Amino acid sequence: LAKTTQPISMDSYEGQEVNITCSHNNIATNDYITWYQQFPSQGPRFIIQGYKTKVTNEVASLFIPADRKSSTLSLPRVSLSDTAVYYCPLSGANNLFFGTGTRLTVIP
Amino acid sequence: KAGVTQTPRYLIKTRGQQVTLSCSPISGHRSVSWYQQTPGQGLQFLFEYFSETQRNKGNFPGRFSGRQFSNSRSEMNVSTLELGDSALYLCASSLGTDLYYGYTFGSGTRLTVV
Repeated sequence: LAKTTQPISMDSYEGQEVNITCSHNNIATNDYITWYQQFPSQGPRFIIQGYKTKVTNEVASLFIPADRKSSTLSLPRVSLSDTAVYYCPLSGANNLFFGTGTRLTVIP
Repeated sequence: KAGVTQTPRYLIKTRGQQVTLSCSPISGHRSVSWYQQTPGQGLQFLFEYFSETQRNKGNFPGRFSGRQFSNSRSEMNVSTLELGDSALYLCASSLGTDLYYGYTFGSGTRLTVV
């Protein structure tokens, strides 16, 4: 099961763009890259998914280079409510490896 | 449509007891996965069921077991509870039939073992 590595924590001011990186050197051909957001005492919530290049939805963008060994989640103009833990599990088998996640703190 | 429903939301048990947690997936989802989340170990995969069969299992002792019913509802059981089993137990459902599995998580059951 391919593992992922992320920074433990990040701080950002409200209104700024935040980029969170994820390293997945052993990604398999059939793995999709997914990002989840989790608030305390709640289950993770799916944010975005991609296979390669760039994907954008109403809340975030996902950038994946050609070698797929890393990915970057971009959150435009974060607000206080974006304070949460963000995970980047690979989705290609019948389970997800979540790792430690990145704790994003948005500062007023 | 209704999300993933986990019951109960909170539970307090005594060491040595057993506990059963329940998960009702999104209608039409045939895969149910269970995860344990603790402050020290993070989110760890327990097992996954698809069409009443266990397809994948994480690295947990045999005290942790599960099952899935014909309506895709799932239960997990923990026997001979230990203090270290105190955790948030999360259930996730997905279609489970495509190369890409989109998972929807429930709010979890908070188990406290005293």
